[in-house]
Amino acid sequence: EPEVTQTPSHQVTQMGQEVILRCVPISNHLYFYWYRQILGQKVEFLVSFYNNEISEKSEIFDDQFSVERPDGSNFTLKIRSTKLEDSAMYFCASKDRGTTNEKLFFGSGTQLSVL
Amino acid sequence: KQEVTQIPAALSVPEGENLVLNCSFTDSAIYNLQWFRQDPGKGLTSLLLIQSSQREQTSGRLNASLDKSSGRSTLYIAASQPGDSATYLCAVRDTGRRALTFGSGTRLQVQP
Repeated sequence: EPEVTQTPSHQVTQMGQEVILRCVPISNHLYFYWYRQILGQKVEFLVSFYNNEISEKSEIFDDQFSVERPDGSNFTLKIRSTKLEDSAMYFCASKDRGTTNEKLFFGSGTQLSVL
Repeated sequence: KQEVTQIPAALSVPEGENLVLNCSFTDSAIYNLQWFRQDPGKGLTSLLLIQSSQREQTSGRLNASLDKSSGRSTLYIAASQPGDSATYLCAVRDTGRRALTFGSGTRLQVQP
């Protein structure tokens, strides 16, 4: 079965450093998302991306965050200057087109630790 | 602002029992509701999706119901197995939005 692939599975960085989290969505999907889950807390929406632009973003997704689809297969989340509170599991997700294909497919996540 | 609550937070049952997980949401203007399974350190797997116009969906031993007007959904698991042990998350998509709002989950342990 097709799956969403995320790399790396773990990322450790120093506060203030830039990180790029990478995702390969399912190949025929058109909608892409980033969510995060801080340890012990709920899964939170960050951003959705469709047709090469952000279609919705949350309050968390401030100027320190950006997303990009640099080619036909990758979808990246960049955090420009990481803070301690950015430590979380970051999930990429994708969805097919159409109202009959509403299920969201998640990757297994990147655990980001900011020291 | 949509809030999603799941009860109970944790549940431990012996193998073979039927069980019900509950989800409630504060704003009934939803587009759909999904139930996910999350295994420790892993991603989320969509189990069932109910559109706002639907009342229930079934997949194998799982049945999810939706009462939009009262802001409630239940996930029924029949004949539970140890392999069902995981955290079950409820998430709603509001009308006009792309984002899912998640509950905090029910951690299920099925004892062999």
